[in-house]
Amino acid sequence: GQQLNQSPQSMFIQEGEDVSMNCTSSSIFNTWLWYKQDPGEGPVLLIALYKAGELTSNGRLTAQFGITRKDSFLNISASIPSDVGIYFCAGASNAGKSTFGDGTTLTVKP
Amino acid sequence: EAGVAQSPRYKIIEKRQSVAFWCNPISGHATLYWYQQILGQGPKLLIQFQNNGVVDDSQLPKDRFSAERLKGVDSTLKIQPAKLEDSAVYLCASSLAIWRTVEAFFGQGTRLTVV
Repeated sequence: GQQLNQSPQSMFIQEGEDVSMNCTSSSIFNTWLWYKQDPGEGPVLLIALYKAGELTSNGRLTAQFGITRKDSFLNISASIPSDVGIYFCAGASNAGKSTFGDGTTLTVKP
Repeated sequence: EAGVAQSPRYKIIEKRQSVAFWCNPISGHATLYWYQQILGQGPKLLIQFQNNGVVDDSQLPKDRFSAERLKGVDSTLKIQPAKLEDSAVYLCASSLAIWRTVEAFFGQGTRLTVV
């Protein structure tokens, strides 16, 4: 089946630093999604990308849909303590099925 | 707008017992998903419904797992009998339509521990 490789697995950064994480796949996806999951909660959608090469921002978050349609990355600028959590990428097909990566755990030190 | 409701929040059972989880999607959402999330991993799709019909259940272990959405609204996921490796969080999500998966909203999940 389809698999997504998400890296890094975890990050420990200082408040105010920028963060970058990425996701690669052996398969092509029509849509790339980035979610954040807090402890005890379900994932919450941060950014959705629909076209190869697309660059989309949501506040301090910026994500890009790779040209090959097999990768995506997420940047967080000027991190703050509430950015702590697990970030998941997901690739989606036209049939509505999403395949998730295993997440990047972000820790922000004040 | 009320979110996706799931119950119970937590469940502890012994192996070989049965368990059922309930999900009430956002009103008007035709598509409903059940995901299994093992600790340290991303959610894995178990089954996807469009109204009361199954769209995709290719990753559902059908020898022990079953799910239904009889009236196209609420859904239940059952495990019978449970194994130790079924310990996970079971997430329900819903979206307006199958082609609008990007707008899927997740519930808080049910954390299952099999001992």
